[in-house]
Amino acid sequence: QKEVEQDPGPLSVPEGAIVSLNCTYSNSAFQYFMWYRQYSRKGPELLMYTYSSGNKEDGRFTAQVDKSSKYISLFIRDSQPSDSATYLCAMSARGGSEKLVFGKGTKLTVNP
Amino acid sequence: GAGVSQSPSNKVTEKGKDVELRCDPISGHTALYWYRQSLGQGLEFLIYFQGNSAPDKSGLPSDRFSAERTGGSVSTLTIQRTQQEDSAVYLCASSLPTSNEQFFGPGTRLTVL
Repeated sequence: QKEVEQDPGPLSVPEGAIVSLNCTYSNSAFQYFMWYRQYSRKGPELLMYTYSSGNKEDGRFTAQVDKSSKYISLFIRDSQPSDSATYLCAMSARGGSEKLVFGKGTKLTVNP
Repeated sequence: GAGVSQSPSNKVTEKGKDVELRCDPISGHTALYWYRQSLGQGLEFLIYFQGNSAPDKSGLPSDRFSAERTGGSVSTLTIQRTQQEDSAVYLCASSLPTSNEQFFGPGTRLTVL
């Protein structure tokens, strides 16, 4: 079993839909959780950063962490065609500089 | 300000040749990371530098892979005697020393024929 599991999709939704992206993990030491967005042939871009359990909202994006279930989610409200990208979850045990463990990414297409 | 830069953006090489990939981190970021992204795979960690030292090399897949960092800035990832399975996008990231918010470069797409 990989440390971080993420459904690769692809996921296709109409413009304006609410999108839910998820990851599960097995390492209970993980405390820091990130979502990256990666456009085709570009490097990943940090989208959301959360610590421990709870919710964090930034504009149309909401990140949720449920440590008891080892489950994290990213919600995108009012999705736009410009949101079409691959979304990668990542996590680490410590807040200082150390390697991140990534999911494989979910490819999202938002259709106009 | 300038982000993480990597060169070359694309590299095509023949099996058995050596290649060097370069990463220039964000100014002031003492932590530097190399990852590899293969088709259908997530990002796999290769090596992490703090300053010029590499406290974590656990992700290097074989002794054909090595990396160095000089002056606490630019890093070079070297792959010797390249194999077809080395074909991937090699991504570099950097962060402040006490943070794990990592900022990525655009990557080097390596193709081994």
